[in-house]
Amino acid sequence: KAGVTQTPRYLIKTRGQQVTLSCSPISGHRSVSWYQQTPGQGLQFLFEYFSETQRNKGNFPGRFSGRQFSNSRSEMNVSTLELGDSALYLCASSLDRLSGYTFGSGTRLTVV
Amino acid sequence: GENVEQHPSTLSVQEGDSAVIKCTYSDSASNYFPWYKQELGKGPQLIIDIRSNVGEKKDQRIAVTLNKTAKHFSLHITETQPEDSAVYFCAASITDTGNQFYFGTGTSLTVIP
Repeated sequence: KAGVTQTPRYLIKTRGQQVTLSCSPISGHRSVSWYQQTPGQGLQFLFEYFSETQRNKGNFPGRFSGRQFSNSRSEMNVSTLELGDSALYLCASSLDRLSGYTFGSGTRLTVV
Repeated sequence: GENVEQHPSTLSVQEGDSAVIKCTYSDSASNYFPWYKQELGKGPQLIIDIRSNVGEKKDQRIAVTLNKTAKHFSLHITETQPEDSAVYFCAASITDTGNQFYFGTGTSLTVIP
């Protein structure tokens, strides 16, 4: 079966711009979570969506937002980009809260 | 919130030897502990997991042990092979509150042929 698909794979943006990342979960998975991965901070939880509702949120500023559509596809948006937002953004889906995640390959965002 | 510590940060072993990675967690409410393997340019891949009602779980060359009293869990890889070289992450979550995982800082494992 198809895995978790994230688009685009690579992105270069300028400080102050905004960006939208997309994630298509595994078919049937209703939980979608987003993580930021950096060498210094490791894997940090951004938020989780389940059936179009945000169920959990990490400690990130309000510039980071997300949403989930009725087909479980999810997007995350980062506004007013800062250099420190450069990271690998990973999307993960799971069947329910009792299951492990399946991660996508991530979107590498570089802010210049 | 939950805090997960992982050791060592780097580990080199000879092919065929065993590798052990250890993690500790702080929140006694955590009840689900997955391990992920991440290869260069890829997202983390689930390799094994354990729930708090189980003390040990094994899958071929990989095993995980959990000590709830001491709040630590470990990954054991036996008969290591070069393809085991990757970064390994442990994680902890409280499944009652949803899918929010707290990850360790990762262990870079190198298996020397």
